[in-house]
Amino acid sequence: DSGVTQTPKHLITATGQRVTLRCSPRSGDLSVYWYQQSLDQGLQFLIHYYNGEERAKGNILERFSAQQFPDLHSELNLSSLELGDSALYFCASSTRGRDRVDEQYFGPGTRLTVT
Amino acid sequence: GDSVTQMEGPVTLSEEAFLTINCTYTATGYPSLFWYVQYPGEGLQLLLKATKADDKGSNKGFEATYRKETTSFHLEKGSVQVSDSAVYFCALKAGGGNKLTFGTGTQLKVEL
Repeated sequence: DSGVTQTPKHLITATGQRVTLRCSPRSGDLSVYWYQQSLDQGLQFLIHYYNGEERAKGNILERFSAQQFPDLHSELNLSSLELGDSALYFCASSTRGRDRVDEQYFGPGTRLTVT
Repeated sequence: GDSVTQMEGPVTLSEEAFLTINCTYTATGYPSLFWYVQYPGEGLQLLLKATKADDKGSNKGFEATYRKETTSFHLEKGSVQVSDSAVYFCALKAGGGNKLTFGTGTQLKVEL
């Protein structure tokens, strides 16, 4: 158990709908990352938040947005869903190791199926 | 841009066999390198890391050495067990950012 929690575990929805995925980081971690894992694209970085502020964006579609709240939990919002958005969505949080390199710890993921 | 190339899987081995999973990278500067493992139905777990050239990361019998001259970070284990069956991902973190760039993953199957 990494200490990172994600809900829900599974989500099935229809095209055109909007969903919200939730992530709670490990206690004390200020950074939250979102990744998408799909069969055709592999593991892709979406976005990074640090203490409520967006720090970096990766291959995140305009239909997707995220935020990190004052209690440090984060939500990933996916709208106008398409079949191709079906994937595993992982959240990770990080802490700086003794060597000052961030180590990312991943949650169990949310499996999104768009029908 | 940054990229990671891993050997294609699946890799099928008998228990107690020697494991090597190749990983090479392209990155600017001096990246940090990681191996993650994903067991069926679970998230990714950090297996080991190395942050500078010639560093060796090790954990649970797995090892990988950061080779800057060959831009490689191959994962090795002397004697695999059935419980090692999983997908292994090589990843790097480069520049000033914190995002991880992953390889495509290599599935390992260990049989009795």
